[in-house]
Amino acid sequence: EAEVAQSPRYKITEKSQAVAFWCDPISGHATLYWYRQILGQGPELLVQFQDESVVDDSQLPKDRFSAERLKGVDSTLKIQPAELGDSAMYLCASSRDRFNSPLHFGNGTRLTVT
Amino acid sequence: GDSVTQMEGPVTLSEEAFLTINCTYTATGYPSLFWYVQYPGEGLQLLLKATKADDKGSNKGFEATYRKETTSFHLEKGSVQVSDSAVYFCALIGNTGNQFYFGTGTSLTVIP
Repeated sequence: EAEVAQSPRYKITEKSQAVAFWCDPISGHATLYWYRQILGQGPELLVQFQDESVVDDSQLPKDRFSAERLKGVDSTLKIQPAELGDSAMYLCASSRDRFNSPLHFGNGTRLTVT
Repeated sequence: GDSVTQMEGPVTLSEEAFLTINCTYTATGYPSLFWYVQYPGEGLQLLLKATKADDKGSNKGFEATYRKETTSFHLEKGSVQVSDSAVYFCALIGNTGNQFYFGTGTSLTVIP
C-alpha cells in the first residue's frame, strides 16, 4: 500500500535555528495537510493545500512558520527561528480530495528544540 | 463550530476484555466520522469510517456505528489483544469538506 513519506524522522535543533521538514504524499492525492501534535493531544491543523494552493493556513504562526507545495506534489514546512514551544510531532497527511476522503498520515517528524 | 469529544483516558484492560471508547460529536449537517489509531512513534492510521447515519464501520475486530440521534460514534471491540495497545482518535469532517476535527485521543493499554 502506498504511503506518505516524511523526513527526517527525528530532528534536534537549538532555539533560534531554522529547521525544515519534507513530505511526499501518496501519488495522485491532491490535498496535503501539515499537522502539529503535542504529546498527549490530538493533531492540530497548521496548513492545508489543494494542489499547489493554500486552502487554509489560519492556524499557521506565519511570523515563524512557512509552507510550500510548489509543484502540487511534495511539500516543505519550515520554522525560523525555532522556539522551545515548537517541540512536537509534525505530521503530514494527504487525501484524494477535500471532501470526505480519509486522511493518510506519514510517520511524522519528532522535533526537539533545546 | 464542529468538534469531537472523546472519553478521557488512559484505559487499561486485561487481554480478551471488552472495549468501549466513547466519542460524541457536534456538527452541522451530515459529517463523515472516523476512528484513527496511533502506535508509539508512528503516524495515525485509519481504523474505520462511516459516512452516513446508521452506517457501521468495522475493521480488525473493531466496530463503530454512526448514531445521529445521539451524535455518537463509539468504538467497540469484543476481545482486545496486547497488540491493540495504542492511542485511538475519533475524528470528523463536515459535509462542506473544510477540515478534519480530531478528538484528544484515548490511550489504551492491554495487559496479558
